[in-house]
Amino acid sequence: EVQLVESGGGLVQPGGSLRLSCAASGFTFSSYAMNWVRQAAGKGLEWVSVISGSGGNIYYADSVKGRFTISRDNSKNTLYLQMNNLRAEDTAVYYCAKTHSSSWLLSDYWGQGTLVTVSS
Amino acid sequence: EIVLTQSPGTLSLSPGERATLSCRASQSVSSSYLAWYQQKPGQAPRLLIYGASSRATGIPDRFSGSGSGTDFTLTISRLEPEDFAVYYCQQYGNSPPLTFGGGTKVEIK
Repeated sequence: EVQLVESGGGLVQPGGSLRLSCAASGFTFSSYAMNWVRQAAGKGLEWVSVISGSGGNIYYADSVKGRFTISRDNSKNTLYLQMNNLRAEDTAVYYCAKTHSSSWLLSDYWGQGTLVTVSS
Repeated sequence: EIVLTQSPGTLSLSPGERATLSCRASQSVSSSYLAWYQQKPGQAPRLLIYGASSRATGIPDRFSGSGSGTDFTLTISRLEPEDFAVYYCQQYGNSPPLTFGGGTKVEIK
């Protein structure tokens, strides 16, 4: 059974940093690209970043480019999102998602999310 | 960036009725790389449909997707109580950015 468990969320001041983690199990982690997607309270879904299985291909949404860094440790089956220079508009639930076998960009299984609140 | 517009914003229906949700893209979605997700309050999204019309693993056949190019539809043939939720379309093209529609809420009438 695929399991994705996010952690690392919390309250941080504007300009601060957080590192999110996503522990994966139930599948061959290194074989799949992984996405981060966020959702502000009462709002829709916003794609944040994707990293290929090897880590060699990485893309970001324009809204986070230059501030967020996605990475993965395939030996630990863990995905990361380093978030720097956080802004109030980054406040959201952050989901990690495994990608589908048919496309390295399609998310099929999602974690339950971790809440990031940026506020003074 | 491809912008996806979902309509209606809210759909009020009764159990047993048919639901038809629309997703329109600002430009053609390559190879029908269009997905639909269901999200219930407090839960993560769940993949329903990918490739515009393929059902994901474990999805009941009352859910069906259709369309190509810029116009896509999710149909729920007979609404079950557990189907009342918010539905999002997403295009996942050949390369990022990935984009989502604003969502359609299917509520009990």
